[in-house]
Amino acid sequence: QVQLQESGPGLVKPSQTLSLTCTVSGGSISSGGYYWSWIRQHPGKGLEWIGYIYYSGSTYYNPSLKSRVTISVDTSKNQFSLKLSSVTAADTAVYYCARSMTTLPDYWGQGTLVTVSS
Amino acid sequence: QSALTQPASVSGSPGQSITISCTGTSSDVGGYNYVSWYQQHPGKAPKLMIYEVSNRPSGVPDRFSGSKSGNTASLTISGLQAEDEADYYCSSYTSSSTLFGGGTKLTVL
Repeated sequence: QVQLQESGPGLVKPSQTLSLTCTVSGGSISSGGYYWSWIRQHPGKGLEWIGYIYYSGSTYYNPSLKSRVTISVDTSKNQFSLKLSSVTAADTAVYYCARSMTTLPDYWGQGTLVTVSS
Repeated sequence: QSALTQPASVSGSPGQSITISCTGTSSDVGGYNYVSWYQQHPGKAPKLMIYEVSNRPSGVPDRFSGSKSGNTASLTISGLQAEDEADYYCSSYTSSSTLFGGGTKLTVL
């Protein structure tokens, strides 16, 4: 069974770059057939799709975040990563990584809370 | 790129059936048979309950079913149980992104 685990700083200062990594176990990112997604959830709010990447490196981003988002993949480590630049308090959220089939998530990580504060 | 429309809340008594709707457009829900439903308990990650409109992953009770008509997808839960109380989200494929609904809080009375 595929498992995903997010890791990264829980506190980021305003204007800095948020960086998270998702480590995948129980399956290989490079085997193909799946997209690897980042999704966030603001406190007490709904889910917001950030973007996804295919193992080949093709990326798709939410238009509202596109100018600040970079998703990359490291198949040698079976990891994919999220960078969100110029963060503000509005980027405080629980960030989830997920495996996606036909671009819709099936397996999710447990999520990690990232707080933007000085 | 608007979110899919779900009712904010629904409720039902144990043993009853409820239906949650998810309305989009012909560019998302209506255009593809790629709609998923997720259950989220407080403090937990979402869990896939339905994929490709009406398919249940292994381990999901058959009390959960999905359907679609036009631009609206629906999740039906029959034989409501206390543990079904949670937030439910729909999600749809589009040609270049993933859309989520705003979420529906299910209360089991």
